[in-house]
Amino acid sequence: AQTVTQSQPEMSVQEAETVTLSCTYDTSESDYYLFWYKQPPSRQMILVIRQEAYKQQNATENRFSVNFQKAAKSFSLKISDSQLGDAAMYFCAYPPGGGTSYGKLTFGQGTILTVHP
Amino acid sequence: DGGITQSPKYLFRKEGQNVTLSCEQNLNHDAMYWYRQDPGQGLRLIYYSQIVNDFQKGDIAEGYSVSREKKESFPLTVTSAQKNPTAFYLCASSIVLGGNSPLHFGNGTRLTVT
Repeated sequence: AQTVTQSQPEMSVQEAETVTLSCTYDTSESDYYLFWYKQPPSRQMILVIRQEAYKQQNATENRFSVNFQKAAKSFSLKISDSQLGDAAMYFCAYPPGGGTSYGKLTFGQGTILTVHP
Repeated sequence: DGGITQSPKYLFRKEGQNVTLSCEQNLNHDAMYWYRQDPGQGLRLIYYSQIVNDFQKGDIAEGYSVSREKKESFPLTVTSAQKNPTAFYLCASSIVLGGNSPLHFGNGTRLTVT
């Protein structure tokens, strides 16, 4: 079965510090996309960042960046200069079947991030 | 502003009753999805639809049904056959049914069945 694993149920960080959330996945595809979604207390899922597996360069969106290691099937999210508004549950996700698959995502179990002032 | 509207936010039903959750989008997206979220678990796909009048089962479709009569609407019916219906339900859409097309989510419906 193709799975996504987030091994950290909870993480915490001080405001302005950096935190890294880990994610590993299992796929037999060579071309696919990876996503990080954020779910704040409002419970709406918000796309944080996405990575295309065929690209060597790690994706970056402002304070959010990924460390993508394709051979290790690892896709971690780094949040720099953490802010109180970053507090949320974070989900790693990818579409089984690769980049040309239907847009069905498999999600990890989530990591709850707490930001301390 | 374009977006996805799910209603109601909270829904309560008695066991044995069917219940329909509403999902409407004005993003002009072709693809729509229903996910279920339980505590301690990630989202799991119930049904998805690529175009009007077409839909496919996801990973946990048993006890659920959907329709897609209009591009904008993708209602989910939780039937009495669903053994554990109490959960948080999220509707989503994407431009097309493709692996690189990011999902846009609604605010969800919390269903409680007693």
